Amino acid sequence: DTEVTQTPKHLVMGMTNKKSLKCEQHMGHRAMYWYKQKAKKPPELMFVYSYEKLSINESVPSRFSPECPNSSLLNLHLHALQPEDSALYLCASSQGSSGSSYNEQFFGPGTRLTVL
Amino acid sequence: QKEVEQNSGPLSVPEGAIASLNCTYSDRGSQSFFWYRQYSGKSPELIMSIYSNGDKEDGRFTAQLNKASQYVSLLIRDSQPSDSATYLCAVRGFNSGGSNYKLTFGKGTLLTVNP
Repeated sequence: DTEVTQTPKHLVMGMTNKKSLKCEQHMGHRAMYWYKQKAKKPPELMFVYSYEKLSINESVPSRFSPECPNSSLLNLHLHALQPEDSALYLCASSQGSSGSSYNEQFFGPGTRLTVL
Repeated sequence: QKEVEQNSGPLSVPEGAIASLNCTYSDRGSQSFFWYRQYSGKSPELIMSIYSNGDKEDGRFTAQLNKASQYVSLLIRDSQPSDSATYLCAVRGFNSGGSNYKLTFGKGTLLTVNP
């Protein structure tokens, strides 16, 4: 079962709101990712968690705050976003073995975020 | 700067034809190569992975890798209208630590299969 789930599917928020995006996988994967994708652009990596520790932060503004409560869950906390942050937010997971060169990444369906 | 280049298209082929999608990459140390299909408004779906030089076939899809030429391609045989989507090429280098998880994506090629 190569399924990554994300909630909510759609989210509309004001610039002063605080909201969270959630991601879950039950494939036993140990690496989880947040990507941002704007229309007609490829996914843009934001964060990587490996074995529940933040491994990569691609210089993402602090208004985005990731959290990995356990190996199956990944959250993205949002606060004081700007309209230009409106995008499709994608979660992905992979096996996460640091010695493996394979590490196929499987994406969830995404959360369509609109910031007003 | 690691780069992955794809023709942006659109690539238009008739139903039943072979669609050929191409990708070149700049990092000679790249180890893993992936093709994702993305329908409009949906998330990327992994359709092929290839790690060694040569061809890899899966149903109507064939991935081809030539590391010497830094070139990877995806062939879709007997193209169907349902294959109409954007195809993203993704490449991973081999580095220690966190960067081993990073994929570099091309900008994607829009494929249209005409009935």
